Amino acid sequence: DQQVKQNSPSLSVQEGRISILNCDYTNSMFDYFLWYKKYPAEGPTFLISISSIKDKNEDGRFTVFLNKSAKHLSLHIVPSQPGDSAVYFCAASFQRSYNTDKLIFGTGTRLQVFP
Amino acid sequence: GAGVSQSPRYKVTKRGQDVALRCDPISGHVSLYWYRQALGQGPEFLTYFNYEAQQDKSGLPNDRFSAERPEGSISTLTIQRTEQRDSAMYRCASSWGAGGPVDTGELFFGEGSRLTVL
Repeated sequence: DQQVKQNSPSLSVQEGRISILNCDYTNSMFDYFLWYKKYPAEGPTFLISISSIKDKNEDGRFTVFLNKSAKHLSLHIVPSQPGDSAVYFCAASFQRSYNTDKLIFGTGTRLQVFP
Repeated sequence: GAGVSQSPRYKVTKRGQDVALRCDPISGHVSLYWYRQALGQGPEFLTYFNYEAQQDKSGLPNDRFSAERPEGSISTLTIQRTEQRDSAMYRCASSWGAGGPVDTGELFFGEGSRLTVL
């Protein structure tokens, strides 16, 4: 039972354009959502997060949008740069519901930004 | 150290052997997590600790898998009688802990231990 789903395994975007990565979840008890970025041969690194009490969080070129009614979140990267090419994982937790940082991850989306 | 350190980085073993994977978390981090990641998949939760207490082991696949963190710092994930299906990247992560002084919900991952069972 995949509680966090990333239905697009890959995405290709031209440099300077917007990249939109999508994530859906099934458990309405999730109260914290994060995006992680992973380069080859490295561990995932934290990118941006959002609490379930918000619907948007912005950090520089990265913005995460949360639609609780649709159980959907998205990561927008604008403008996209070649260095953004990586695998992006969506993750969710029950941080405030059950006082744990345990993360449930999606399967990832490979983003390729070409010149 | 500055980051989460895992050893060995690569382990090749024969089916039936026991393996122990070590994780040294970021100093001061309360929570420590073990994940397993198959190729093309996201990290899959195995177990986690707050200090030395194992809070959740619901992700351990079977009783051949065990983990400990006896002094609330370094942790060892042990796989007994390894099988080929155990081959994967095993990732350790640590965090300040939910509700702790730095409550970002962020987990810091190590580079992983790649296990290959022949």
